[in-house]
Amino acid sequence: NAGVTQTPKFQVLKTGQSMTLQCAQDMNHEYMSWYRQDPGMGLRLIHYSVGAGITDQGEVPNGYNVSRSTTEDFPLRLLSAAPSQTSVYFCASRTGSSGNTIYFGEGSWLTVV
Amino acid sequence: RKEVEQDPGPFNVPEGATVAFNCTYSNSASQSFFWYRQDCRKEPKLLMSVYSSGNEDGRFTAQLNRASQYISLLIRDSKLSDSATYLCVVNSRNRDDKIIFGKGTRLHILP
Repeated sequence: NAGVTQTPKFQVLKTGQSMTLQCAQDMNHEYMSWYRQDPGMGLRLIHYSVGAGITDQGEVPNGYNVSRSTTEDFPLRLLSAAPSQTSVYFCASRTGSSGNTIYFGEGSWLTVV
Repeated sequence: RKEVEQDPGPFNVPEGATVAFNCTYSNSASQSFFWYRQDCRKEPKLLMSVYSSGNEDGRFTAQLNRASQYISLLIRDSKLSDSATYLCVVNSRNRDDKIIFGKGTRLHILP
């Protein structure tokens, strides 16, 4: 099983550039989410989706957009990259019950210079 | 009070020793509890769920104390491979179905 697949794994951007982090899951999970993880800050929720066509903001949504046109895909767009967006980004998915396991992608290391 | 709090560590423990972590949570309506393990530069992965009656998986024991609002993880006969960051995860199962991650406790097992 592929599980949750994220691309790219590493990316360097210049300030002001835009890019999209791709995330796909093959487990037919309703819930998908994007987190960023910074030293000393833990995992912080950026955006999440409870199903195709439905997205909502998390704790730190500014500077990011998402869409959920299919159950499988949940891309994260950086609109105009800033050095403060240098971080590790994790995509995650789970079934509808929040008592169930959360599956993470392998992470995307993003550096904005 | 933070929603989920963990001692960040690091805990430096000799191989073979027993180590315990606690995690406190603020929302008394929380329903589900988990421990996740995260290796350096890797994604978090589920270690074990935490049940009201306590549960054990090999060398790992998890317990829940609802009255005091904390969960614990005990690792017996620690191995070098146990070195990782351990994340406490709590969810409320209320209308917003919110999942909260602790910032993690770093564990270093020393040879």
